[in-house]
Amino acid sequence: GDSVTQMEGPVTLSEEAFLTINCTYTATGYPSLFWYVQYPGEGLQLLLKATKADDKGSNKGFEATYRKETTSFHLEKGSVQVSDSAVYFCALSVQRYNNNDMRFGAGTRLTVKP
Amino acid sequence: DAGVTQSPTHLIKTRGQQVTLRCSPKSGHDTVSWYQQALGQGPQFIFQYYEEEERQRGNFPDRFSGHQFPNYSSELNVNALLLGDSALYLCASSLEHGYSYEQYFGPGTRLTVT
Repeated sequence: GDSVTQMEGPVTLSEEAFLTINCTYTATGYPSLFWYVQYPGEGLQLLLKATKADDKGSNKGFEATYRKETTSFHLEKGSVQVSDSAVYFCALSVQRYNNNDMRFGAGTRLTVKP
Repeated sequence: DAGVTQSPTHLIKTRGQQVTLRCSPKSGHDTVSWYQQALGQGPQFIFQYYEEEERQRGNFPDRFSGHQFPNYSSELNVNALLLGDSALYLCASSLEHGYSYEQYFGPGTRLTVT
């Protein structure tokens, strides 16, 4: 079945460090790929998305490129801030007839220290 | 533009009781999905409603049921509550014929079963 595997956390970085959170997927069909962020005590917010191979999603300095050849969608940011501290979820959705639920990874907790 | 709203925010129930959670989708969305997020884990798909019918279900027992109303809002009902049902319950809305199949999440309802 469809699934997402993402880098285990927690990840602790100093402010202005480079961030990479790895995500790989397994899917039959052509998934759309997403990164969601969850701040403490809140629901999930869509951070960025990519709908086809080689697409690059970007938002708030975060980027991820849909790599079909490596079935990956790694999240990167060049310079993290304390306010980026949150849990990040990689997810996929494959549109099929009457079937388009979203599958999530286990989440990676990021802590950024000043 | 109102996003996805959920009520109540928090709920405490006793084992064996029944609970109803409510969700209003983002304006213009017609599909509602429910997810269970246990502490420290990624969201797990419970079911999805479209055109007032459950059209897809995850690996959850029949104690979990739902409903969608003509205005697209939705309810999640859980009967015979178990301690293991304690979790954050997330509602997500989407557009059936949307391009990227992304889902917008509400803030969640935190259910505690004692």
